Amino acid sequence: DAGVTQSPTHLIKTRGQQVTLRCSPKSGHDTVSWYQQALGQGPQFIFQYYEEEERQRGNFPDRFSGHQFPNYSSELNVNALLLGDSALYLCASSSLQGVRATGVNTEAFFGQGTRLTVV
Amino acid sequence: GQSLEQPSEVTAVEGAIVQINCTYQTSGFYGLSWYQQHDGGAPTFLSYNGLDGLEETGRFSSFLSRSDSYGYLLLQELQMKDSASYFCAVGQAGTALIFGKGTTLSVSS
Repeated sequence: DAGVTQSPTHLIKTRGQQVTLRCSPKSGHDTVSWYQQALGQGPQFIFQYYEEEERQRGNFPDRFSGHQFPNYSSELNVNALLLGDSALYLCASSSLQGVRATGVNTEAFFGQGTRLTVV
Repeated sequence: GQSLEQPSEVTAVEGAIVQINCTYQTSGFYGLSWYQQHDGGAPTFLSYNGLDGLEETGRFSSFLSRSDSYGYLLLQELQMKDSASYFCAVGQAGTALIFGKGTTLSVSS
């Protein structure tokens, strides 16, 4: 059973460009969350998708947008890249239906991340 | 605003016991989670406390006191492979996770 997979693993972009990162959740999971992790910091919540809709959003500008597909996979898009967008971007999958059905917390599974460098 | 405070670094020797504390101030509370992250790796789930008290999972235990907005992760019988960053996070898998800045644990022989 494949866990959470993210692509690409590394990416170098120039300021002002646009980037798309991809995530496939763990089998059986229906919810995808995206996080940005700067060096030496904890992951910061960007947004969460469930049933192809943005369910929650953190404190990130509109340059950050996303999408979830019917097969639960997800994309993170960042427009007009800034040097400060350089970070590790993590995708986490979970089962919101599982939590609602059982009332028990189900852990979030993280992918290995995409290391984005903006030059 | 929301904030979580945890020590930035902790050092210990193999076989020892270490406690990593976490205090939080958040607008909503959906439980306290703990994650481990090795250098360059994915964060992996360790433990979750939704109610006050102690949760034990093998060598790791986690505690929560909601009245004190405080929790801790206890690691026993430390091994070299436990050297990693440890994050407390408010929330659970069904909600956004708000992470602390992390505690770097260094275990020496």
